[in-house]
Amino acid sequence: SQKIEQNSEALNIQEGKTATLTCNYTNYSPAYLQWYRQDPGRGPVFLLLIRENEKEKRKERLKVTFDTTLKQSLFHITASQPADSATYLCALEMDSSYKLIFGSGTRLLVRP
Amino acid sequence: GAGVSQTPSNKVTEKGKYVELRCDPISGHTALYWYRQSLGQGPEFLIYFQGTGAADDSGLPNDRFFAVRPEGSVSTLKIQRTERGDSAVYLCASSSPGENTGELFFGEGSRLTVL
Repeated sequence: SQKIEQNSEALNIQEGKTATLTCNYTNYSPAYLQWYRQDPGRGPVFLLLIRENEKEKRKERLKVTFDTTLKQSLFHITASQPADSATYLCALEMDSSYKLIFGSGTRLLVRP
Repeated sequence: GAGVSQTPSNKVTEKGKYVELRCDPISGHTALYWYRQSLGQGPEFLIYFQGTGAADDSGLPNDRFFAVRPEGSVSTLKIQRTERGDSAVYLCASSSPGENTGELFFGEGSRLTVL
């Protein structure tokens, strides 16, 4: 069956450290993979998009990798801050459709 | 407006009632999506409009759910004979196919509670 897996347990780290979140998928062949941030009671906000032929993408303190062989994406936040505390969602987009398929998200808590 | 607007932000209704949720997308965005999000889960796709037509309604759970976008802008999600299991946050998103392929701009959601 098709699955997108994100760690359901919250990731709890100290301010200043690098947070690494994982997104694994099975039985999908996405053309794109996206990461969103969601704060409680708010809608998701787009962060980064990476294409299947890209290995890595960076934006400020954010870095995303995409390994289509392992069927995995890693999302890194360097020099993390308490304001980075939120739920982070990965989403797959197939080549034939603009429809996004979301994982269940991982909650990140950055302690001051 | 600057972003996607959804009304109402909260709706409490009784089982069996009819509900309408409205979405006003970003001006000029031709694509509009409805998603449903339950507590602790990611958004679940319901329906996608390109212009006025539903290009993909494969996510609608059953025939009690229906959505329209008559003029290619505002969309309404309609739920008939609501059930307690329909309780969730209903998210609307819009996008403009182009350089940021597939990036979605979400509204804040309409929280539906069916008693």
